[in-house]
Amino acid sequence: SYVLTQPPSVSVAPGKTARITCGGNNIGSKSVHWYQQKPGQAPVLVVYDDSDRPSGIPERFSGSNSGNTATLTISRVEAGDEADYYCQVWDSSSDHPVFGGGTKLTVL
Amino acid sequence: EVQLVESGGGLVQPGGSLRLSCAASGFTFSSYSMNWVRQAPGKGLEWVSYISSSSSTIYYADSVKGRFTISRDNAKNSLYLQMNSLRAEDTAVYYCARQNPTTVTGHDAFDIWGQGTMVTVSS
Repeated sequence: SYVLTQPPSVSVAPGKTARITCGGNNIGSKSVHWYQQKPGQAPVLVVYDDSDRPSGIPERFSGSNSGNTATLTISRVEAGDEADYYCQVWDSSSDHPVFGGGTKLTVL
Repeated sequence: EVQLVESGGGLVQPGGSLRLSCAASGFTFSSYSMNWVRQAPGKGLEWVSYISSSSSTIYYADSVKGRFTISRDNAKNSLYLQMNSLRAEDTAVYYCARQNPTTVTGHDAFDIWGQGTMVTVSS
């Protein structure tokens, strides 16, 4: 089955840029989706199809995808961005969705 | 307002059964594929099951295949998950999630999530 690898944690100071990676074999050939989950809340879609943003998501959230790594970039990080972030793709061989293990973003 | 509301969770003994429901509102439920995703306490997200808009295509994660059954009633704007032979490792918050068709492959994102319902399997 297809495996997505995320760093367990990323720390960033307020106002700086956070980059959260998602590794997978030739992930650049897939559509990558990113979710934000705050404690006790349901996940929220923040980026879909590698780099598109749903309505209501700030422009500070952006995504890229190439080769074996997809990246979620959060510019001008705010305290309210502190959350767990998950990447997700579909495994073409099984046609099942797959989630990365999640990255905890800490705002220092 | 577009909304998904899960219900039916609770405490059940190992080997027992439970039926989860997800009520949809604010959108044309019959036009969307739906999924169940779960999250064990302190763990990450795990996809559980998928059902197409017309129920013609259904998928299950290997961890639940043969024990769980997904279904939907488009007339009632409702999604269901029948869970049998429950195990301790099925303990989790279960979310229903709408799949938003933006890709030609059908490998879409989950754009709307419910608040989740907790299932605890314990004696």
